[in-house]
Amino acid sequence: GDSVTQMEGPVTLSEEAFLTINCTYTATGYPSLFWYVQYPGEGLQLLLKATKADDKGSNKGFEATYRKETTSFHLEKGSVQVSDSAVYFCALRDSGYSTLTFGKGTMLLVSP
Amino acid sequence: EAQVTQNPRYLITVTGKKLTVTCSQNMNHEYMSWYRQDPGLGLRQIYYSMNVEVTDKGDVPEGYKVSRKEKRNFPLILESPSPNQTSLYFCASSSRTSGNNEQFFGPGTRLTVL
Repeated sequence: GDSVTQMEGPVTLSEEAFLTINCTYTATGYPSLFWYVQYPGEGLQLLLKATKADDKGSNKGFEATYRKETTSFHLEKGSVQVSDSAVYFCALRDSGYSTLTFGKGTMLLVSP
Repeated sequence: EAQVTQNPRYLITVTGKKLTVTCSQNMNHEYMSWYRQDPGLGLRQIYYSMNVEVTDKGDVPEGYKVSRKEKRNFPLILESPSPNQTSLYFCASSSRTSGNNEQFFGPGTRLTVL
């Protein structure tokens, strides 16, 4: 079955540091890939997505590139802010279905 | 405003006392789903619904029931809650007209079963 593996957290960074959160996946079809963010006390919000190989999703300074050859969708940001502190979830949706398969989430803590 | 609402947001109950968590969306979405979030386990799908009167089990359906009598509502029913159902629950919805549409999540319901 489909699965998503994310690096374990927490990831602790100082403000303006570079961020990478690794995500790899296993899927039988041609999935769409997503990053969701969960701020403290809130539900999940879509951060970015990519629907086919080599697509780059981007939003709010975050980027991720769909790499089919390495089955990866790593999240990056060049300069994090304290307000980026949240839990980040990588997810996939296999072609033809609406069910999302989530990774376990990675907590990011950014200090001033 | 397009949104998914859940009620209640917080609930403390006792073992065996039936409860219902409501979920409603105002986006005319066909697809709705329930997840539970537990530390170290991420989000796991409980049940989902592709449309009215169409529901199916997710990864962890034991101890839960759902119904989809109307397109906008998708309640989660715990007939006899147990402490291992203490968790944070999320409802989500999306359109099926495009296979890559975003899932919209509700704010969550924190349930404690004593």
